[in-house]
Amino acid sequence: AQSVTQLGSHVSVSEGALVLLRCNYSSSVPPYLFWYVQYPNQGLQLLLKYTSAATLVKGINGFEAEFKKSETSFHLTKPSAHMSDAAEYFCAVKGSQGNLIFGKGTKLSVKP
Amino acid sequence: DAGVIQSPRHEVTEMGQEVTLRCKPISGHDYLFWYRQTMMRGLELLIYFNNNVPIDDSGMPEDRFSAKMPNASFSTLKIQPSEPRDSAVYFCASSLYAGTGSYGYTFGSGTRLTVV
Repeated sequence: AQSVTQLGSHVSVSEGALVLLRCNYSSSVPPYLFWYVQYPNQGLQLLLKYTSAATLVKGINGFEAEFKKSETSFHLTKPSAHMSDAAEYFCAVKGSQGNLIFGKGTKLSVKP
Repeated sequence: DAGVIQSPRHEVTEMGQEVTLRCKPISGHDYLFWYRQTMMRGLELLIYFNNNVPIDDSGMPEDRFSAKMPNASFSTLKIQPSEPRDSAVYFCASSLYAGTGSYGYTFGSGTRLTVV
C-alpha cells in the first residue's frame, strides 16, 4: 500500500532563506507524487507533480521537488522564502485505487 | 471552467439539525472526493465516487453521514442529525480518470461547518 510521511509539522524560516519541506513515500509500484499548498481559509492547490518524466520537477511560485528513488524521498524546496509562502503544504502519493493519499501536512511560517 | 464549486461557503446550525453540503465537480472529471479537515485530525478522506458510483466509504465516520452523486455534475454530503464534533471544513475535489495516470485533484474552496 502507498503512503507518505511528512517530517515536521511546523517549519519556520526567515524571509530570503531556503525552504526545505520533507516528504518520504512508500510505494510498491513506481509512484506518482504531488505537493499541494493550502493558504488560510482556502482549498488545496496543486504546486507540482512527479510523473516519472524527470526527477527534478518545477512547480508554481518558484518551488521545485526532486524525486530520489534511492532515498524514497520527494522533498520540496524553494531557494528564497517570501512572506507570501506562509501556508500549509501537503505531500501526496497516488493510491492503487486512483485516490490520493495525503500526508499530515507541514505548516510553513516565514519570519520577516 | 469555474473549477469545483461548493456551497454553502459557511454553515452554522444547531445540534440535531440536518445539514446538506453540495458540490459541483469540473465537467468531464470521473472522480469525486469528499474530505473533512480539522485541526486535530488533519485531512480525512470520507468517501469517493468513480463515474457516480461510491467506491470507498470507509472514511465516513458513522451512519449519520451519507453522500450521494445522482449525476456527473452534482454531489451532496448530508449529516443527520448534526453534532458539535462534526464542526470542520468539508472539501470536495474532482479528478480525471486516474488508473495509472498522473492526474491530481482540483479542490473546491470548502464549506466551513459549525454546529452549536
